[in-house]
Amino acid sequence: EVQLVESGGGLVQPGGSLRLSCAASGFTFSSYWMSWVRQAPGKGLEWVANIKQDGSEKYYVDSVKGRFTISRDNAKNSLYLQMNSLRAEDTAVYFCGYDWYHWGQGTLVTVSS
Amino acid sequence: DVVMTQSPLSLPVTLGQPASISCRSSQSLVHSDGNTYLNWFQQRPGQSPRRLIYEVSNRDSGVPDRFSGSGSGPDFTLKITRVEAEDVGVYYCMQGTHWPYTFGQGTKLEIK
Repeated sequence: EVQLVESGGGLVQPGGSLRLSCAASGFTFSSYWMSWVRQAPGKGLEWVANIKQDGSEKYYVDSVKGRFTISRDNAKNSLYLQMNSLRAEDTAVYFCGYDWYHWGQGTLVTVSS
Repeated sequence: DVVMTQSPLSLPVTLGQPASISCRSSQSLVHSDGNTYLNWFQQRPGQSPRRLIYEVSNRDSGVPDRFSGSGSGPDFTLKITRVEAEDVGVYYCMQGTHWPYTFGQGTKLEIK
């Protein structure tokens, strides 16, 4: 059974940092592009970042470029999102997923003083 | 960036009646590999998104056949032949052809 379990969310002050993790199981993690998508409270879905199977290609939405870094550890079947210089508008539930079909339950990031 | 525009944004439907959601892209979604990466997602209240349709018209595993996708750029459509109570939620189109990938605003389907 495919499982994607996000962790690392929480309350952080503006300008602070957080590192989200996504533990994957039940599929060959190293064979798939991985994605982060977010959803602000009461708002729609927004794609955040993608990373290629070997980590050689990474893509980001403009609003997070230079602040967020997507990475992966295929030996640990884990996906990460390092978020720096956080802003109030980054407040959202962050979902990890692959193949646009399998998604985790999400982790809530709240940026507030 | 490719703008995905959905309509309507709110869709009250009587149980057993059909429903249709439109999605218009601001650019061609035909990828250099010849495929059109237009997906439809359902998000039920309190749940993660669930993909229903990929590459315009291909239904995902486990998706009831009352859901169908159609269209060619720039207009795409998600249709439900007979709405059931479990279909309540928000529906999004999403293009996966051009970076950055973009979603439509979402269409909230409710039972009338």
